[in-house]
Amino acid sequence: DGGITQSPKYLFRKEGQNVTLSCEQNLNHDAMYWYRQDPGQGLRLIYYSQIVNDFQKGDIAEGYSVSREKKESFPLTVTSAQKNPTAFYLCASSPEGRVPGYTFGSGTRLTVV
Amino acid sequence: AQSVTQPDIHITVSEGASLELRCNYSYGATPYLFWYVQSPGQGLQLLLKYFSGDTLVQGIKGFEAEFKRSQSSFNLRKPSVHWSDAAEYFCAVGKGGGGNKLTFGTGTQLKVEL
Repeated sequence: DGGITQSPKYLFRKEGQNVTLSCEQNLNHDAMYWYRQDPGQGLRLIYYSQIVNDFQKGDIAEGYSVSREKKESFPLTVTSAQKNPTAFYLCASSPEGRVPGYTFGSGTRLTVV
Repeated sequence: AQSVTQPDIHITVSEGASLELRCNYSYGATPYLFWYVQSPGQGLQLLLKYFSGDTLVQGIKGFEAEFKRSQSSFNLRKPSVHWSDAAEYFCAVGKGGGGNKLTFGTGTQLKVEL
């Protein structure tokens, strides 16, 4: 079955370390997105990519980086510059050029220890 | 810029009672509107969506929503709530074409009393 796979489901990071969250989709979707979720704040857009080798900053991109070398993959790196990285991270994808509609992964919970 | 307001942070209803979750949006053109549901520790699942046409849309799990342009609202309803409906519900607004970014509301946590 087609879908989006995020890994790992739980991730622990020491302060000062970079960490990379994986997002893979086999839906043949062109666009992919990373959202951060905090209690009471809904989902906030970190980065998005509409095509391979291109991506744009969202509303809260500081302290994060992404790459889009393959259509299927859109990894997110949480750098040491991100002051408050503990959160639930959601990856989504959608077919580009059509009516929007996201398919979400099951999320990665990142905790800084 | 587009925005979404969900005025109710928490709602508690009894099983079998009717439900209405409120959503108001701000957008310059005809919006694309969505309702998603999230169980704890999980991703979001699409309940229903509105693009055009009939302003009353039906979704999965017995949910429906009505688009009211004059009120900039897209409220979610269910005639009879089941205990398994307890979850967090998110309203979202977006546009078609390139850059299908969705803007989400802050969510409404639904608790169902047995």
